[in-house]
Amino acid sequence: KNQVEQSPQSLIILEGKNCTLQCNYTVSPFSNLRWYKQDTGRGPVSLTIMTFSENTKSNGRYTATLDADTKQSSLHITASQLSDSASYICVVGYNNNDMRFGAGTRLTVKP
Amino acid sequence: DAGVIQSPRHEVTEMGQEVTLRCKPISGHNSLFWYRQTMMRGLELLIYFNNNVPIDDSGMPEDRFSAKMPNASFSTLKIQPSEPRDSAVYFCASSLQESSYEQYFGPGTRLTVT
Repeated sequence: KNQVEQSPQSLIILEGKNCTLQCNYTVSPFSNLRWYKQDTGRGPVSLTIMTFSENTKSNGRYTATLDADTKQSSLHITASQLSDSASYICVVGYNNNDMRFGAGTRLTVKP
Repeated sequence: DAGVIQSPRHEVTEMGQEVTLRCKPISGHNSLFWYRQTMMRGLELLIYFNNNVPIDDSGMPEDRFSAKMPNASFSTLKIQPSEPRDSAVYFCASSLQESSYEQYFGPGTRLTVT
């Protein structure tokens, strides 16, 4: 069954700290994996996109990793800022254009 | 540059009424996607178009839902008749081409059916 599971469900950290969000998937055949950031009341915004051959990609303070063998991805946020408070959604593409969405991790950064 | 434009931003309607959500994709983008987001189910893909043609509507929940894309710059998602369980935020997204992984989302339409 094609599933995408994210952990933790929610996370609270202090400003300036680092954190790592997890995404495990079972979808097959894998095509791509995307991380989105969604601020409250806004649409999701793409952070990183990785295909099978890529195992790490950075976007500023955001670094995503992908292990296609274990079917795991992580999103690492360095030196968190208050503006990082948002939901982070993992989306795994498979077949040609099919997609499976994770339920998201709700991150709160406190001063 | 204008991003994806959706209207209305908020819609409150009574059960049984027809609801029409509108989307203008980014100019030059060939693919358009409609999503629904709820607390219980998260983000769900409803339907997507490529070059104005519906490609996959397997996510459309029922016959009460229909979507059209009469031209490259406009799409509608219609619910008739609406039900309280349709209450959700509906997002439209567009991408440069069908196989492009980069999708740009609109601000969403928050629909409340009472």
